[in-house]
Amino acid sequence: QKEVEQDPGPLSVPEGAIVSLNCTYSNSAFQYFMWYRQYSRKGPELLMYTYSSGNKEDGRFTAQVDKSSKYISLFIRDSQPSDSATYLCAAQSNYQLIWGAGTKLIIKP
Amino acid sequence: KAGVTQTPRYLIKTRGQQVTLSCSPISGHRSVSWYQQTPGQGLQFLFEYFSETQRNKGNFPGRFSGRQFSNSRSEMNVSTLELGDSALYLCASMLGAAYNEQFFGPGTRLTVL
Repeated sequence: QKEVEQDPGPLSVPEGAIVSLNCTYSNSAFQYFMWYRQYSRKGPELLMYTYSSGNKEDGRFTAQVDKSSKYISLFIRDSQPSDSATYLCAAQSNYQLIWGAGTKLIIKP
Repeated sequence: KAGVTQTPRYLIKTRGQQVTLSCSPISGHRSVSWYQQTPGQGLQFLFEYFSETQRNKGNFPGRFSGRQFSNSRSEMNVSTLELGDSALYLCASMLGAAYNEQFFGPGTRLTVL
């Protein structure tokens, strides 16, 4: 079992929909969690960085961590075709990041 | 401020050869991490260098090695290439240990024939 599990998708939704992307993790020692967005032929870029449990909002993006269920989520409101990309979750463990497989998101105009 | 740059962007090698990839971090960043990304395994951590010292290492065989120079530029070497080494190799830099300020380069696409 991988330490961070993520459904690879693809996930296809219509423009304007609310998108929910999710990951689960197994190591209760993880405290920092990240969401990255990766466009084709590009490196990942950091979207959200959260510590412990709770919500964090940045524009149309909300990151949520539930440590009791070891579940992390990224919500995208008013989704746009430009949001089409692969979204990767990651958990920080000491000096390295443990990554999910990435979910390919397609926003249909 | 210039971003993380990686050279070359694309590389084709044959089995048994060796390859060296280069990464120039953002100016002022002292940490450079290397990752391998494949469709099957996703992103996997190779190693991290900080101020010319390897600070952390992932679970890759000894064929994968790296180094960092005094100007923080880093190189990664893979010897005796195998077909399974075909991947996107990503480099990321950060100032210290703040992953909320880690920036990735565009990657080097390595194909092993």
